[in-house]
Amino acid sequence: DIQLTQSPSFMSASVGDRVTLTCRASLDVSSSLAWYQQIPGKAPKLLISATSTLESGVPSRFSGRGYGTDFTLTISSLQPEDFATYYCQQLRSYPYTFGQGTKLEIK
Amino acid sequence: QVQLQESGPGLVKPSQTLSLTCSVSGTSINSIGHYWSWIRQLPGKGLEWIGYIYYRGNTYYNPSLKSRCTISKDTSDNTLSLTLTSVTAADTAVYYCARDSEQWGPGYFELWGQGALVTVSS
Repeated sequence: DIQLTQSPSFMSASVGDRVTLTCRASLDVSSSLAWYQQIPGKAPKLLISATSTLESGVPSRFSGRGYGTDFTLTISSLQPEDFATYYCQQLRSYPYTFGQGTKLEIK
Repeated sequence: QVQLQESGPGLVKPSQTLSLTCSVSGTSINSIGHYWSWIRQLPGKGLEWIGYIYYRGNTYYNPSLKSRCTISKDTSDNTLSLTLTSVTAADTAVYYCARDSEQWGPGYFELWGQGALVTVSS
């Protein structure tokens, strides 16, 4: 299985901050990577597909970059509703796997 | 508006079989080209993809669960099902059904149910 390692596991930040979350794959996944946002008690929400394409309705302050084994999710100016847990997921090979998540907390 | 909703017993005894249903509304589970997955979230931990069923009925399972897992669909009532046999406490999780993305296809989970908590305990 392809392992995804997210860093950091926890991050404290303030409204208005620019933050970057990292996802590293154990094998090359090309651009077959997605990002999800999960608010406690809710299902994950697909934010970004194919490394960098924002889903409909996702604010432009979110952006994704990367290729191969190293990927980032950047939020340019944190808003109160962005404090959540973020997961990356690879679709390059079966079984689909997720990172362990980065929990973004309000400082 | 497409909606998915999981249902099933919230408590299952060890060694027994876990059975969940996902009711789909707003679209047909036979919609051409779509994959329907089950995903679980272990308590306080990350997400694990269990497997999918294609609209044609083909299935694929995570090898870690393949020997105990069956995903099926019922066209007559537009539902998906998951059965997991010989459960242990390690199977305690929130179970989600999900559908792939219209634009990006299999593996991009665009639509999710609200999740069903299943606890394995005697």
